[in-house]
Amino acid sequence: RKEVEQDPGPFNVPEGATVAFNCTYSNSASQSFFWYRQDCRKEPKLLMSVYSSGNEDGRFTAQLNRASQYISLLIRDSKLSDSATYLCVVKEPYSSASKIIFGSGTRLSIRP
Amino acid sequence: DTEVTQTPKHLVMGMTNKKSLKCEQHMGHRAMYWYKQKAKKPPELMFVYSYEKLSINESVPSRFSPECPNSSLLNLHLHALQPEDSALYLCASSHMLAGGRNEQYFGPGTRLTVT
Repeated sequence: RKEVEQDPGPFNVPEGATVAFNCTYSNSASQSFFWYRQDCRKEPKLLMSVYSSGNEDGRFTAQLNRASQYISLLIRDSKLSDSATYLCVVKEPYSSASKIIFGSGTRLSIRP
Repeated sequence: DTEVTQTPKHLVMGMTNKKSLKCEQHMGHRAMYWYKQKAKKPPELMFVYSYEKLSINESVPSRFSPECPNSSLLNLHLHALQPEDSALYLCASSHMLAGGRNEQYFGPGTRLTVT
């Protein structure tokens, strides 16, 4: 089983739709969780950290379910500019600079 | 300011060349990372430096040699590369706060082509 798994997509949804991605992780001791977005031929950019209690940033909501070992990202009222690859990132519980594991990414395409 | 800079943006090198990639951050981060990313794949961790010391080497071939001259700079020295080493090389940095989330911030990358 992969350490971090995501549905590769692509998800092709109309503008204004709500879309959700899940990401599962295998190490129950994982410490921290993040969502990054990556545009074609660009670097990954931090979208949001994922907190145990769930957190929201504008149209984006992230949730963590430790019992089932998955995190989710919900995008409401999707915009054309949301088209990108969304990378789930899990931080392993090293004591120093932690090992960080990327999922393979989910491609999202928003159509007009 | 969450900026990580990398130079050069693009690099073409032959298999016998020696070149270096450079990365710089001024966010006071004490952890710095090198990743390699192939097309349509996620970034793969290569090296991690914490407090200017190499803390993680993900079994990277010795033709890649990292160096951290100070807390703001990270280099990746390249020698005798193979065509399959062609990829986007990303540098990242993060804080190392105990119990902190320590989000990583990425530079724009160096697109390397080995001919």
